[in-house]
This record gives sequence, C-alpha cells and structure tokens, in this order.
Amino acid sequence: GEDVEQSLFLSVREGDSSVINCTYTDSSSTYLYWYKQEPGAGLQLLTYIFSNMDMKQDQRLTVLLNKKDKHLSLRIADTQTGDSAIYFCAEKEGGSQGNLIFGKGTKLSVKP
Amino acid sequence: ETGVTQTPRHLVMGMTNKKSLKCEQHLGHNAMYWYKQSAKKPLELMFVYNFKEQTENNSVPSRFSPECPNSSHLFLHLHTLQPEDSALYLCASSMGLARDTQYFGPGTRLTVL
Repeated sequence: GEDVEQSLFLSVREGDSSVINCTYTDSSSTYLYWYKQEPGAGLQLLTYIFSNMDMKQDQRLTVLLNKKDKHLSLRIADTQTGDSAIYFCAEKEGGSQGNLIFGKGTKLSVKP
Repeated sequence: ETGVTQTPRHLVMGMTNKKSLKCEQHLGHNAMYWYKQSAKKPLELMFVYNFKEQTENNSVPSRFSPECPNSSHLFLHLHTLQPEDSALYLCASSMGLARDTQYFGPGTRLTVL
C-alpha cells in the first residue's frame, strides 16, 4: 500500500533554518500537506501543495516538491522556539475517495 | 481554533464501560472523519462519512461504532474496549472528499484501564 516516510527527529538552534523531509510512494497523489501538532493538541494545517507545482512559499514556510523522486520538504526560515512541535507530512490519494496517508511525524526541537 | 470541536478532551474508562466521543464542525463541511493516533505510529483512518453516509470503514473492530446524524456532528460510540485502544482520537472535516483539505479537531485522549 501507499507509504509516507519521515525522519523522526530534528534539532536546530533558534534563528537557523529547519528542513523537514518526506518521501511518499503514490505517484497519483493530488495534494501533499504539512500539518503541525503541538503537545496535547490536534493537527493544525500549515500548508499544502498541489502535485503539479514544485514550490510554494508562505511567509517563513517554503515547500519543495520533487515529483519525479516523490520527495517533499518543508523549510522553516528563522526557526523560533514556538515552532517546536511534531510535523506530519501527508499525501492525498488519487481517486474519488482521496484519503490522506500520513507519515509518523518529525519532532522538531528548537534550542535557544 | 479550526472550527472543529471535540468533547470530551480526556476520557478514562474501564473495559466494561460504554462511552461516546463527540465531534462538531462549524465549517459547513460535508465530510467528516475519525482517526486514531497511537504513539510511534502513523495516523490511522478509521471511518469516513460524506453527506451523513459512511463511505469508509477501515477494518475497525465492532467495539467502535460511529454515528453521523447530520453533516455537522459525528459520534464514536465505544464499548468493551481493550487497553491497546488507548490513544488520541482525532476528528476531521472537509468540504468534500477528493480535492478538499481536512481540518482537525483537538482530539480526545482516551485511556482504557
């Protein structure tokens, strides 16, 4: 079945850039998403990219999509302590149902 | 605030209890979802409802019983659960299925003793 892989941990210093990587397997994915989960909270939609785009920028967030390699990344510029959270990559399956397939999440720790 | 609320936020129950989780969305969406989030595992889709009709049951045990009385409300009825059912249960909604973004509630942290 479809699979989404992410590294489990990333640690950066405050002010640096963070890059969280994700690979997926479903070549018919329509949309790819990044969600953020803070402790004790649900998933907050951060950004998404349509599968025919290769880049999307939204303030401090930059999403890069390499469809050939099925690789998605999220870059957070000027990372702050408030960015510490778990970041989930998700792909939306092609087809009428369009279920989301999630990775296990990358825990981002930001050190002052 | 995402427009999706869940109650209760925390629930502790014994294996013989019956309880229900509630989800409400104020976004005018037509599709609603239940997910299970366990430690160190990807989110697992449990059920999908579209226009109050169930469109997906992802091989979920019958001790979990969903109910969708209207497009704004979704329930998950629980009975005779097992300790391994302890998890964060997340509700989400979207306008439609195929192309539309899902918005999540804060979740219910369930502990089964």
